[in-house]
Amino acid sequence: DADVTQTPRNRITKTGKRIMLECSQTKGHDRMYWYRQDPGLGLRLIYYSFDVKDINKGEISDGYSVSRQAQAKFSLSLESAIPNQTALYFCATRGGQETQYFGPGTRLLVL
Amino acid sequence: GQSLEQPSEVTAVEGAIVQINCTYQTSGFYGLSWYQQHDGGAPTFLSYNALDGLEETGRFSSFLSRSDSYGYLLLQELQMKDSASYFCAVVGYSTLTFGKGTMLLVSP
Repeated sequence: DADVTQTPRNRITKTGKRIMLECSQTKGHDRMYWYRQDPGLGLRLIYYSFDVKDINKGEISDGYSVSRQAQAKFSLSLESAIPNQTALYFCATRGGQETQYFGPGTRLLVL
Repeated sequence: GQSLEQPSEVTAVEGAIVQINCTYQTSGFYGLSWYQQHDGGAPTFLSYNALDGLEETGRFSSFLSRSDSYGYLLLQELQMKDSASYFCAVVGYSTLTFGKGTMLLVSP
C-alpha cells in the first residue's frame, strides 16, 4: 500500500463550488505539506503543518484553506473554486531533514 | 526569500553523461535536494547535500558548493527511463523551496 494517498485522483468542478482534497499518510510523520504544480512553474507551497495544532501559510495560500484532522490526515479546501486554480495538487510528508514523500497527486479542473 | 535557477530543458543521448545545474539565493539554508518526476507522476527523492562536495548514488551524483550557492546533478550512463523532469530544492528547517524544473529528454 502507498505511504501517502490522495483522494480524489481527478476532479472536475465548476466555478464557485467548494471542494476538498484529502491526504492520508501511514509514514507516521508529523510534517505535512500541500503543493500545487503548474506547467513551467515547479512546485509551489500552499500550506504546511507540523501537528494538528500547527498550520502555516505557504507561498500561495490565498483562496485555499486546510484542516489537520489527525497526524495522518491533512485536507485542502477550495472554498469557491476559480479557473486559475486548475492545477495538479500534491500532498507530501517529511520525516528527516532531507526527504519529502509525495502522494500521487490530484488533477483538478475548474470550469 | 528564496529563488532557484535551473535550465528549463536538457537533451542527451542514451549512454551519455548529463549535468543539470542549479543556482540559488536563500536566506536560510540547510542543504540542497534533488527530485525526479516522470510525466504526471509524483516527485521522488534522489539526493541531498548538506555539505560541500559530491554525493554518489549509483548512476546519479549530486554536488554542492555553499560558497558559490551552486549545485548540480550528474546523471551517467543515461537510459531512456531517465527522461523526466528534475527539480532542485533548497531545504530549510520548515519547508523546501523548489526550482521550476529541468526537463531531460533522452534519445536513442
